Amino acid sequence: DAKTTQPPSMDCAEGRAANLPCNHSTISGNEYVYWYRQIHSQGPQYIIHGLKNNETNEMASLIITEDRKSSTLILPHATLRDTAVYYCIVSNQQGGSEKLVFGKGTKLTVNP
Amino acid sequence: NAGVTQTPKFRVLKTGQSMTLLCAQDMNHEYMYWYRQDPGMGLRLIHYSVGEGTTAKGEVPDGYNVSRLKKQNFLLGLESAAPSQTSVYFCASSYSIGGTNYGYTFGSGTRLTVV
Repeated sequence: DAKTTQPPSMDCAEGRAANLPCNHSTISGNEYVYWYRQIHSQGPQYIIHGLKNNETNEMASLIITEDRKSSTLILPHATLRDTAVYYCIVSNQQGGSEKLVFGKGTKLTVNP
Repeated sequence: NAGVTQTPKFRVLKTGQSMTLLCAQDMNHEYMYWYRQDPGMGLRLIHYSVGEGTTAKGEVPDGYNVSRLKKQNFLLGLESAAPSQTSVYFCASSYSIGGTNYGYTFGSGTRLTVV
């Protein structure tokens, strides 16, 4: 199973871009990179995912390096409501289903 | 459209008691999962199901049993609760197309305390 490495915590000023890094140096060719976040004690929320191309949706952008060994989640204009734990996950396709293996994530604090 | 609904939201059990946590989804997803989350930790997979009538063990299955008798429901049972099972339990569901996971949706959690 590929594993990910994320900084335990980051701070960002409100209105500025938040760039959250993730290392996944052992990712295999058919594995996707997923990002989820967990606000306070709620259930995790899907943000975005990608294979090798950069992706953008209404929530965020995902930049994946050409060698796929790392990626960056970008929240373009962070708000206080973006304060959460952000999980970078590499997909696991054992057993016919795609189970998500969570690490400890990055605690992002958006400051006013 | 409720998504993934977990009941109950809170529960306190005495050591040795049994209980069942219910997860229901209305999105017609094939796959369902039970996770637990301990303070300061990420989620850990307990059991999962790839379809009605099928279940499989995850990372931390000991002390739990599950059943998927209907596609929309996934039950997590604790036969003899222990204090080590004090945790927040999350249910999730998803579907897959060509090996790519879509629509992974989590419930709001069940906070269980075993005393």
